[in-house]
Amino acid sequence: DTEVTQTPKHLVMGMTNKKSLKCEQHMGHRAMYWYKQKAKKPPELMFVYSYEKLSINESVPSRFSPECPNSSLLNLHLHALQPEDSALYLCASSQVVPGGGYTFGSGTRLTVV
Amino acid sequence: GQQLNQSPQSMFIQEGEDVSMNCTSSSIFNTWLWYKQEPGEGPVLLIALYKAGELTSNGRLTAQFGITRKDSFLNISASIPSDVGIYFCAGPRDNYGQNFVFGPGTRLSVLP
Repeated sequence: DTEVTQTPKHLVMGMTNKKSLKCEQHMGHRAMYWYKQKAKKPPELMFVYSYEKLSINESVPSRFSPECPNSSLLNLHLHALQPEDSALYLCASSQVVPGGGYTFGSGTRLTVV
Repeated sequence: GQQLNQSPQSMFIQEGEDVSMNCTSSSIFNTWLWYKQEPGEGPVLLIALYKAGELTSNGRLTAQFGITRKDSFLNISASIPSDVGIYFCAGPRDNYGQNFVFGPGTRLSVLP
């Protein structure tokens, strides 16, 4: 299995809703990532988990809350989002070695109304 | 912070033509990654480069790690319609290789 699977593919949520994005990989990768990508822009790093521990938080607002329940799963809990948070949210995984390229999922297209 | 620039921003080429694009950095990198992203999909890793001067191929794609370690180049030979997409370069922000910065991308369109 060489894939990163993200669910759901699309999500529309109101500003008072609570929702979660899910990501799963079975490649034995011990580093997992959340990226945010706005239209016509490159991906921007949000969070990095290394051996199931949060190692990087790129000053992301607390309305985004990551969770790594085990080495195969990564969640992103969303609460009280703003319309400007609408974007493609990409999950990725990699070996925990310097310079290793990521394997990305197809993303969740999030729209906040 | 580290910034990457890619040129050209976009290009329209005829099927069968060769393509060249580049990526420059404001600081020295020890790794360069090249990704391709198609509409509705996540980026896919094309080529990874780890040494200055390194030249690596992946089918019709060839990438080079610049000697100055501040640039990298991607060439596509004999383009085909499925080469359409956005090509991103990426380099590490730190020595641990987990925090990568992406360039703004080169958008490639291939005309039949």
